[in-house]
Amino acid sequence: DTAVSQTPKYLVTQMGNDKSIKCEQNLGHDTMYWYKQDSKKFLKIMFSYNNKELIINETVPNRFSPKSPDKAHLNLHINSLELGDSAVYFCASSQGGELGYGYTFGSGTRLTVV
Amino acid sequence: GQNIDQPTEMTATEGAIVQINCTYQTSGFNGLFWYQQHAGEAPTFLSYNVLDGLEEKGRFSSFLSRSKGYSYLLLKELQMKDSASYLCAVIVSNYQLIWGAGTKLIIKP
Repeated sequence: DTAVSQTPKYLVTQMGNDKSIKCEQNLGHDTMYWYKQDSKKFLKIMFSYNNKELIINETVPNRFSPKSPDKAHLNLHINSLELGDSAVYFCASSQGGELGYGYTFGSGTRLTVV
Repeated sequence: GQNIDQPTEMTATEGAIVQINCTYQTSGFNGLFWYQQHAGEAPTFLSYNVLDGLEEKGRFSSFLSRSKGYSYLLLKELQMKDSASYLCAVIVSNYQLIWGAGTKLIIKP
């Protein structure tokens, strides 16, 4: 069973379109994250939710909107896609203060905007 | 500002030992992670250090010195499958991580 699963794995779309990426974790973790990894390989936090509540909202264009229907799911919706949005987006989860187990990442969604 | 420095790339020989260094300057510190990331795949958790000293886990060990803002990951008995990027990340506060750009490790036969 996949611990953190995100779909789709690959997404190619045209500028101006709206798209969503879904993420689900079956680890019982209470915190979920969205990260963006650009071509330089830096992982940058975008959003973090703890028990469905937004706790981190970095400087991200408001075209990006996260939604957490329950603590096992955190979806990312992107409006009016731009070329610069092309990157790999990773969903991750962790269990609150139990940092010794680290964050568990999904397999990533490679978004290409053409 | 927040800053994490790692070498961009390192090369080592199969069977040898390699040490990957990480230095950090951050506004807070609640621990440090090391992650392994193979090309095209998700990062996977290797280690977590919050106290000074060496944590050993099989062929991999991680060291932390909080006073020096310094950590290293030590990989022993290198195998070809260890070719990957190794990411250092500092937990600043409130679930926020600052990530280094990663060190690409190339293993040669």
